[in-house]
Amino acid sequence: SQTIHQWPATLVQPVGSPLSLECTVEGTSNPNLYWYRQAAGRGLQLLFYSVGIGQISSEVPQNLSASRPQDRQFILSSKKLLLSDSGFYLCAWSYRDRVYEQYFGPGTRLTVT
Amino acid sequence: LAKTTQPISMDSYEGQEVNITCSHNNIATNDYITWYQQFPSQGPRFIIQGYKTKVTNEVASLFIPADRKSSTLSLPRVSLSDTAVYYCLVGPYSGAGSYQLTFGKGTKLSVIP
Repeated sequence: SQTIHQWPATLVQPVGSPLSLECTVEGTSNPNLYWYRQAAGRGLQLLFYSVGIGQISSEVPQNLSASRPQDRQFILSSKKLLLSDSGFYLCAWSYRDRVYEQYFGPGTRLTVT
Repeated sequence: LAKTTQPISMDSYEGQEVNITCSHNNIATNDYITWYQQFPSQGPRFIIQGYKTKVTNEVASLFIPADRKSSTLSLPRVSLSDTAVYYCLVGPYSGAGSYQLTFGKGTKLSVIP
């Protein structure tokens, strides 16, 4: 069966510090990968998606970036965090032809202070 | 993407069947209907997906009338653990070039003992 991992589970970082969140998927090959953010009391916002190694598409301009160095690894980064970057970050995967059937990881709760 | 409308909240007693209806008047011919469940501090969980008539799995049933302008998620004999936000999404199975899942505000189901 397929499994998706995210770490860390929680993170408290000062403004201006860098960020690196990692997501890995097991049990499938060539998945679509997604990064979402959910601010407190808000809906999910798609940040990035990837259909293959090195292929990243951004949905929202921001100071975040994403990379996919391996088929089942997706990394969310920032060089300098802003207060507005606080939120719940979720990684998800789907089969290539089943975009509406996404499977989410446990999430990372990021607090920027 | 078809716009969806669902109730903001619903209350139900334990053991009852719960039906959550979603309206999607401008659903396209190649659109599928997908439902997700989200518990606090967790990522959404894919529940069920369908195109027409009825789909049933171990968690829920999905009823879709012939005109497909609405759908109903049915949860049999709910328990306290079913308290969550339920999202209805409508879009093409493969995404058709769009990877943006619009979760909206969903329906907050509260199960009462």
